[in-house]
Amino acid sequence: KQEVTQIPAALSVPEGENLVLNCSFTDSAIYNLQWFRQDPGKGLTSLLLIQSSQREQTSGRLNASLDKSSGRSTLYIAASQPGDSATYLCAVPTQGGSEKLVFGKGTKLTVNP
Amino acid sequence: AAGVIQSPRHLIKEKRETATLKCYPIPRHDTVYWYQQGPGQDPQFLISFYEKMQSDKGSIPDRFSAQQFSDYHSELNMSSLELGDSALYFCASSLADLNTEAFFGQGTRLTVV
Repeated sequence: KQEVTQIPAALSVPEGENLVLNCSFTDSAIYNLQWFRQDPGKGLTSLLLIQSSQREQTSGRLNASLDKSSGRSTLYIAASQPGDSATYLCAVPTQGGSEKLVFGKGTKLTVNP
Repeated sequence: AAGVIQSPRHLIKEKRETATLKCYPIPRHDTVYWYQQGPGQDPQFLISFYEKMQSDKGSIPDRFSAQQFSDYHSELNMSSLELGDSALYFCASSLADLNTEAFFGQGTRLTVV
């Protein structure tokens, strides 16, 4: 059974700092990995989808890496801003069937002005 | 670009009442997923549909049922509501391909009193 873990559970940084969020998964036979952002009480916004054949995916100040063999992904946020404050979740699809997503519990990021 | 539309955004019901949540997927997406996110929890998969047929089922109580209609919109019906059903309910849609992105709606916040 696929399990997704995110470390740390919460992170507080000053504005302008570069930071890394970590995600690990137990079953390395994944097709892709998706990073989401969730503001309090709001929906899930897809940030990056990284395919199993890729090692990195970039969007603006965000960079996601994937190491399938070790079951790890990182989300790097450059030059953090207060507007980046949110919970970041990673998710992987399960094998077979409908490709439903299994989520980590998220990292709650606070960027202080 | 059109996103996943969910209605209503907020719903308050009393115990033992019935609720119906609606989801309109992104045009041309053939797969719809429903997730439940309790307070402080990660989203948990409930049920999915591919081309109007149920494709997978997760931890969905027997009191809940769902279907996908000919226009691809989906409805989640919840009966005999309990206090513990209070949560954010998300709908997501995607194309039935192993490497496509899942897009989530803004969710319906259900409060059972």
